[in-house]
Amino acid sequence: DTGVSQNPRHKITKRGQNVTFRCDPISEHNRLYWYRQTLGQGPEFLTYFQNEAQLEKSRLLSDRFSAERPKGSFSTLEIQRTEQGDSAMYLCASSGSGVNNEQFFGPGTRLTVL
Amino acid sequence: AQSVSQHNHHVILSEAASLELGCNYSYGGTVNLFWYVQYPGQHLQLLLKYFSGDPLVKGIKGFEAEFIKSKFSFNLRKPSVQWSDTAEYFCAVGTGGFKTIFGAGTRLFVKA
Repeated sequence: DTGVSQNPRHKITKRGQNVTFRCDPISEHNRLYWYRQTLGQGPEFLTYFQNEAQLEKSRLLSDRFSAERPKGSFSTLEIQRTEQGDSAMYLCASSGSGVNNEQFFGPGTRLTVL
Repeated sequence: AQSVSQHNHHVILSEAASLELGCNYSYGGTVNLFWYVQYPGQHLQLLLKYFSGDPLVKGIKGFEAEFIKSKFSFNLRKPSVQWSDTAEYFCAVGTGGFKTIFGAGTRLFVKA
């Protein structure tokens, strides 16, 4: 399967713990995006990478959130000191470098904070 | 602020009925428009997209959408739905570069 993969698929954690999610994009894609989706809503943009550079961060991404894409391939999203409000589906997508190229989405990581 | 509004949160249709899902956006500049679909248990996937040219675009599985610039709309249509069209449909707007804004989605249930 050469699509976008995300791990883990599900994560249950206690409030205050740190969690890290991984995204592996389609190999030839140099753009990578993170979104958050809560029940009854569409995906909300969190951040975007062009190769290893993080070019945009949403105001939704508080100081507790950090994303990296160290070698321009896979990316990680870390949430520190999780809160119950962080419970959501975290989606990763990748695309080529053209303007508004189609984004290919992964299956997401569902986070539940108890 | 840029936003995307989908008029219906839930739609229930019988097989062979016609479908139209509304989508309006607020952004004054040039836009690229998308409809994504998420079938039960599957990833979001692109249904169709509009970048320029003919405002009537055709996508996969018999879907089409019409861009009406004066109305800031990009409604999705299908003449005759099937049970397998049961899914959640998201309208999305790209406002240049990389950022894409999604609507809240419409859940379609097609009765067999």
